[in-house]
Amino acid sequence: EAQVTQNPRYLITVTGKKLTVTCSQNMNHEYMSWYRQDPGLGLRQIYYSMNVEVTDKGDVPEGYKVSRKEKRNFPLILESPSPNQTSLYFCASSSSGTGREKLFFGSGTQLSVL
Amino acid sequence: ILNVEQSPQSLHVQEGDSTNFTCSFPSSNFYALHWYRWETAKSPEALFVMTLNGDEKKKGRISATLNTKEGYSYLYIKGSQPEDSATYLCAFENYGQNFVFGPGTRLSVLP
Repeated sequence: EAQVTQNPRYLITVTGKKLTVTCSQNMNHEYMSWYRQDPGLGLRQIYYSMNVEVTDKGDVPEGYKVSRKEKRNFPLILESPSPNQTSLYFCASSSSGTGREKLFFGSGTQLSVL
Repeated sequence: ILNVEQSPQSLHVQEGDSTNFTCSFPSSNFYALHWYRWETAKSPEALFVMTLNGDEKKKGRISATLNTKEGYSYLYIKGSQPEDSATYLCAFENYGQNFVFGPGTRLSVLP
């Protein structure tokens, strides 16, 4: 089944403890991206990648890192999480590295930083 | 940061009613306009990707139009059903594949 898999679904952590949220897609998609969803706000793009070894900052990249060493994986890394990073996170992918294709979303990760 | 607006913020309609929502976006640096349907506790799912001024797309009872010159898109739902209850998101895509999402319109269809 074609899908974007995110793990974990739920995560509670403490300030400063490094964590990684994994994202993997099995559709051979070129483009992958990360978003956070906060109440009253739209999905905000954190980072995106148009191909392997190519990553770019979105609108809210501060406090996050990503890597794209393989086409299928795009992990989101929080080196030193803070409470303001408590949010619902989505990974998404699309087939084209040149855009204008629909995004396929993962199931989301609800992160709480205490 | 670009601003994408959606109205109304929420909407309650009766089953069988037709309804529409608006997405407003910058008219410069336009590459594509996306619509997604997001049900509670699920992931957003794509409805349409629109690229040309004057585009009209249809999927069952749902359709959308696009005006890139004035920077707006309308989403229409004909004969709303309870299963249409969801949040509808639009997203502006620029040439660099940077996406800016609107805050969404939350639709509740009452049986």
